[in-house]
Amino acid sequence: KNQVEQSPQSLIILEGKNCTLQCNYTVSPFSNLRWYKQDTGRGPVSLTIMTFSENTKSNGRYTATLDADTKQSSLHITASQLSDSASYICVIPSNTDKLIFGTGTRLQVFP
Amino acid sequence: NAGVTQTPKFQVLKTGQSMTLQCAQDMNHNSMYWYRQDPGMGLRLIYYSASEGTTDKGEVPNGYNVSRLNKREFSLRLESAAPSQTSVYFCASGRFNEKLFFGSGTQLSVL
Repeated sequence: KNQVEQSPQSLIILEGKNCTLQCNYTVSPFSNLRWYKQDTGRGPVSLTIMTFSENTKSNGRYTATLDADTKQSSLHITASQLSDSASYICVIPSNTDKLIFGTGTRLQVFP
Repeated sequence: NAGVTQTPKFQVLKTGQSMTLQCAQDMNHNSMYWYRQDPGMGLRLIYYSASEGTTDKGEVPNGYNVSRLNKREFSLRLESAAPSQTSVYFCASGRFNEKLFFGSGTQLSVL
C-alpha cells in the first residue's frame, strides 16, 4: 500500500535553533517528492520538489534531502524564525498520478 | 496575481442543506483539484479535472459533485450536506508533475 509517514507529529523549538523533519514512504514507483508548508488557516505552499536523481535541494533556510534507496526524505530548517511555525507536509505522486499526502509535522517556534 | 481564489472562507450548514464552493485560478492551468483536510489525516482528493470539460473521482467523492465551468473555474457542490462533511476544503491547480497552487481554504461546518 502506498503510504507517506511523517515524524515527529509535532515539534517545539526555540527561535534560532535548527530542526529536522522526517518523511518515510512506501510509494512505488517513485517519481518525485514534494515538501509543502501550510500556515494555520491557509493552503499549503510548495517549498521544493525533488526528483529521483536529486540528493539535496535547498530553498533559503530550508534544505531537503532524499535517499531513494531507504525511501526517506528529510527537511532541515536552519536558524528557525517565528514565521517558520507551520505544518510541513510531505507529498508523493502515486503510480496513478494522484498525490499521496503525509499527515504533516506541526512545528512551533517560540521566542 | 491572485493565484487560486476560493469562496466562501467559512460556511455553516444544517444537515440536508446544499451549497456550492467556488474556485477560480488565473494561472492558465489545465488541472484543478478539490481536497478535504481533516484533523490527523492527510489531504484527501475529492474530485479533479485534468482539463476543461473533464472531471474524475478521487478518493472520497461520495456526497459531492463538481463542475468544470471553463478553464478558470472548478466548483464543488454538496447536494445534501451531512455532518461527516464537516471539514476544511481546498481547491488547487497546477500543471502535470509540477507543484500545486492551493487556495486559502473553506472551513465548512455541518450541524
